[in-house]
Amino acid sequence: DTGVSQDPRHKITKRGQNVTFRCDPISEHNRLYWYRQTLGQGPEFLTYFQNEAQLEKSRLLSDRFSAERPKGSFSTLEIQRTEQGDSAMYLCASSFGGYGTGELFFGEGSRLTVL
Amino acid sequence: GDSVTQMEGPVTLSEEAFLTINCTYTATGYPSLFWYVQYPGEGLQLLLKATKADDKGSNKGFEATYRKETTSFHLEKGSVQVSDSAVYFCALWGVYFGNEKLTFGTGTRLTIIP
Repeated sequence: DTGVSQDPRHKITKRGQNVTFRCDPISEHNRLYWYRQTLGQGPEFLTYFQNEAQLEKSRLLSDRFSAERPKGSFSTLEIQRTEQGDSAMYLCASSFGGYGTGELFFGEGSRLTVL
Repeated sequence: GDSVTQMEGPVTLSEEAFLTINCTYTATGYPSLFWYVQYPGEGLQLLLKATKADDKGSNKGFEATYRKETTSFHLEKGSVQVSDSAVYFCALWGVYFGNEKLTFGTGTRLTIIP
């Protein structure tokens, strides 16, 4: 399968624990995006990378959230000291080129439940 | 900032009915507009797009026309099928530097009954 893959697909954790999600984009894609989706809402932008550079972060992204994309390949999204409000689906998407395309390829998401 | 407003859902229709899902937007300049679809158990995927005013995007029998004068991009299909049951998201892509991301609406859940 050559699509965007995310791991794990489901994660249940206790409040206060740290969690990390991984995203493997389509291999030739240079842009990688993270979105968060809660029940009944549309995906909400978190951050994006062009190659290994993180170009934009949402103001909604608290200091507990950090994302990396070493070597411009896979990316990780870490949430420290999780809170119940962090429960959501975390979506990764990738694209090639960039300016004005808007055609993102999404993974199936990583669902986080914080107890 | 940029925003997208979709009609309230969910929407339930009988097979072969006509579908309209309304979408309006607020943005600086003239963004590109998209409809994405999320089928049960699958990831979001692009359904159709339009990059400038009066463009019509189409795919799988769905159509949407970019209306600058009404800032709208309504999704239509003449005869829906059970397989069209999914959540539909309207989205825009900003055209100015520093806004190179998709902004989504809240989504509309569509259920087609046989």
